[in-house]
Amino acid sequence: AQSVAQPEDQVNVAEGNPLTVKCTYSVSGNPYLFWYVQYPNRGLQFLLKYITGDNLVKGSYGFEAEFNKSQTSFHLKKPSALVSDSALYFCAVRDTKAAGNKLTFGGGTRVLVKP
Amino acid sequence: EPEVTQTPSHQVTQMGQEVILRCVPISNHLYFYWYRQILGQKVEFLVSFYNNEISEKSEIFDDQFSVERPDGSNFTLKIRSTKLEDSAMYFCASSVLAGGVETQYFGPGTRLLVL
Repeated sequence: AQSVAQPEDQVNVAEGNPLTVKCTYSVSGNPYLFWYVQYPNRGLQFLLKYITGDNLVKGSYGFEAEFNKSQTSFHLKKPSALVSDSALYFCAVRDTKAAGNKLTFGGGTRVLVKP
Repeated sequence: EPEVTQTPSHQVTQMGQEVILRCVPISNHLYFYWYRQILGQKVEFLVSFYNNEISEKSEIFDDQFSVERPDGSNFTLKIRSTKLEDSAMYFCASSVLAGGVETQYFGPGTRLLVL
């Protein structure tokens, strides 16, 4: 079975400071990992994904994420947060050993960037 | 940039009524999904659809649910007899191919309220 944990319900950060949103996963095989962001009254917008290769993945809007196999983590990072980054962030995983293509999501982390 | 669209944005219905949620996936995508998010809970996979048939479904997707691609553009989710616990945000998603590395792109969601 595949699962994802986002241990923080909310992250508060001052504008201009680094932002980190944590994600850990559990899979039987190898993971495909995704980050999505949800702004108010909008759908889930794709930010970035890890499939294979370089552990540091760069995505949209200056976000990046680091895959760490030994810690089974895929934390989302941004060096300098903007007020406009305030949103709900979801980590998702697909297990390469699982049949089908369903994504399993974490519970989401609300990011609040204060001016 | 192409987007997944969903209608209606909000739907209020009485318990026991049938509802149809509509989605227009991205035009060159071949794989379609429905997910739902009950308020305050995780985004959950319901069903995936490829080549005019269900390819995978979750335990949530019981006989009350059905999906259809009635024409070349629409993808629908029908709930035959709604229950109070069906109240949720329903997200449609699509991906180019069936492979797990493919990114799923999500629509803005339909918020369903069953009274």
